[in-house]
Amino acid sequence: DQQVKQNSPSLSVQEGRISILNCDYTNSMFDYFLWYKKYPAEGPTFLISISSIKDKNEDGRFTVFLNKSAKHLSLHIVPSQPGDSAVYFCAARRQTGANNLFFGTGTRLTVIP
Amino acid sequence: GAVVSQHPSWVICKSGTSVKIECRSLDFQATTMFWYRQFPKQSLMLMATSNEGSKATYEQGVEKDKFLINHASLTLSTLTVTSAHPEDSSFYICSSRRERGTDTQYFGPGTRLTVL
Repeated sequence: DQQVKQNSPSLSVQEGRISILNCDYTNSMFDYFLWYKKYPAEGPTFLISISSIKDKNEDGRFTVFLNKSAKHLSLHIVPSQPGDSAVYFCAARRQTGANNLFFGTGTRLTVIP
Repeated sequence: GAVVSQHPSWVICKSGTSVKIECRSLDFQATTMFWYRQFPKQSLMLMATSNEGSKATYEQGVEKDKFLINHASLTLSTLTVTSAHPEDSSFYICSSRRERGTDTQYFGPGTRLTVL
């Protein structure tokens, strides 16, 4: 039962343009959402997060948007850089302090120089 | 970010043998460490939560007698896959968390297990 879904396995974007990575979830009990970035042969690294009480969180070039009614979140990267090329995972948590993070299957972003 | 290491990074073993994977938190003492498994084209799935000095908590469907977890110190957790079979072939990845209530988990690079 895939509760967090990333329907696009890959995305290619020109350097300098905006990258938009999408994530959908099914469980309305999720209250916290995270994005992780993963390079080959490395573990996922935390990128940015958002609480369900907010609809937007921004950190430099990275902005995460949350649409609770649609159970949808997205990660925007502006401007995209070649070093952003990686696999991006969306994750969700059900309650404060809970152990279990539910991950999506990831989207491979390629930023073309 | 914090550094979490795993050893080995890749292991190939014969069916029926046991394999031990180590996960070390290098930058901080981790009260909680997590073990995940990722099959091809699927998402990371939590297998168990390991708290230092106590028994691990396993997720539903994960056999605790097959996947032995030991968290003997605040910087080391081990996962032993006992009597491994080809269907156990997967990517095993650990993460550590400084303290309960914080959200950020720091992940290791993962261990690819291939059982022949």
